[in-house]
Order: sequence, then C-alpha cells, then structure tokens
Amino acid sequence: AQSVAQPEDQVNVAEGNPLTVKCTYSVSGNPYLFWYVQYPNRGLQFLLKYITGDNLVKGSYGFEAEFNKSQTSFHLKKPSALVSDSALYFCAVRPVFSGGYNKLIFGAGTRLAVHP
Amino acid sequence: GAVVSQHPSWVICKSGTSVKIECRSLDFQATTMFWYRQFPKQSLMLMATSNEGSKATYEQGVEKDKFLINHASLTLSTLTVTSAHPEDSSFYICSAIKAGSSYNEQFFGPGTRLTVL
Repeated sequence: AQSVAQPEDQVNVAEGNPLTVKCTYSVSGNPYLFWYVQYPNRGLQFLLKYITGDNLVKGSYGFEAEFNKSQTSFHLKKPSALVSDSALYFCAVRPVFSGGYNKLIFGAGTRLAVHP
Repeated sequence: GAVVSQHPSWVICKSGTSVKIECRSLDFQATTMFWYRQFPKQSLMLMATSNEGSKATYEQGVEKDKFLINHASLTLSTLTVTSAHPEDSSFYICSAIKAGSSYNEQFFGPGTRLTVL
C-alpha cells in the first residue's frame, strides 16, 4: 500500500537553530512531493514541492527540502528556526498514477515547536 | 492568484439538522475539487473528489448519502452534511486544482469547523 511516514509527532528546536522535519514515502514510480504548513484552525499553506530536477528545493519562508530517491525521503529543513515557524507540518505525495484524480497522500503531520 | 475560500468558517448546529459548506475558487476555474476532514491532532482524510458537472467520487467508507457533494460550476463545490450527529463534528477542508495548471497542484481553503451539539 502507498503511504507517507512522518516519524516524529513533534520536533522541538531552539530559535536560531537549524530544524529538520522528516518524511519518507512508499510509492511506486516517481511521485510529486509536497510540504504544507497548517496554523491552528486554518487550512493548509503550500511551502514547496519537488517535481523533477535539482534534489534541493527551496520554498516559502526560508524553508527547503531535500529529495533523496534512494532513501525515498523528502525532509524539510530550515537553517535558522523562528518562533513563528511553530505549526503543524504535513508531507504529501502525489503518485504518478493516482487514478486520474491527482489524489494526495498525506503523512500524519509533525508539530514543530520553536522555543525562544 | 489561486485563492480558495470556504464558507462558513465555523458552524454550530443541532443534531439531526443539515449543514451546507461552500468551497469557492476565487480567481481561477477549478475542474476538480477535493473534500477532506481532519480530526484533532490528526492528518487530513480524503472524503471525496468532486468534478464539475459530474457525480463525486467517494473514498471507501465515506457515506455518499450522508455527505452530499455538488460541483455545479467551475468555481463552486458544496458539501452538505445531512442529519448531522456529534460524531460528524470535525474540521472540513476543501482544495481545488486550477484548470490548465502544469502539475495539477491543489490549493487549499481555510477550512470549516463543524460542531454538532
């Protein structure tokens, strides 16, 4: 079965330190990969995506993600965390063949807490 | 561009009543819209895929008679929760695919919190 794993329920980091939020996937073919952020009682905001090309993708708010095909991972990173980055982060994968409806498969989410 | 709105942002209703939630693409045409529900501290669960002018495709385990979806135009899809019960209380999020977009990425609405008393 196709799946997305975010192994950490929560990540704690001090402000100014680098952060990593992990994501691995089990999907056949070469899927499209996405990261979204969700603030309390809000919908999802798009951060970045990987379609093809350079393995390091840069996105909104200083975030970036590194695609590793051999490890089937797409970890989200930021060199210097801000308190305002505290939110819920979702990794999502769109299989190349998703029944023709472009469905996304979401990970369970990782709560990022940045402490002053 | 690519803004998706939902109305209402929150709603409280009595058990047994029906509630309609609207999802609109404000500055683009959306041939496909998706409806998700999200329980507290959980991920998004896809409920159904809505294509303009055709019947929605529901995910396994989602009751189509309970969650009525109508996608009557290229900018509007509605989700009606019929005979709502407390267990239907959840956060409902829609998303839309912009017609003609390169990678068919989904743009998400802000969500609607439904509380059934």
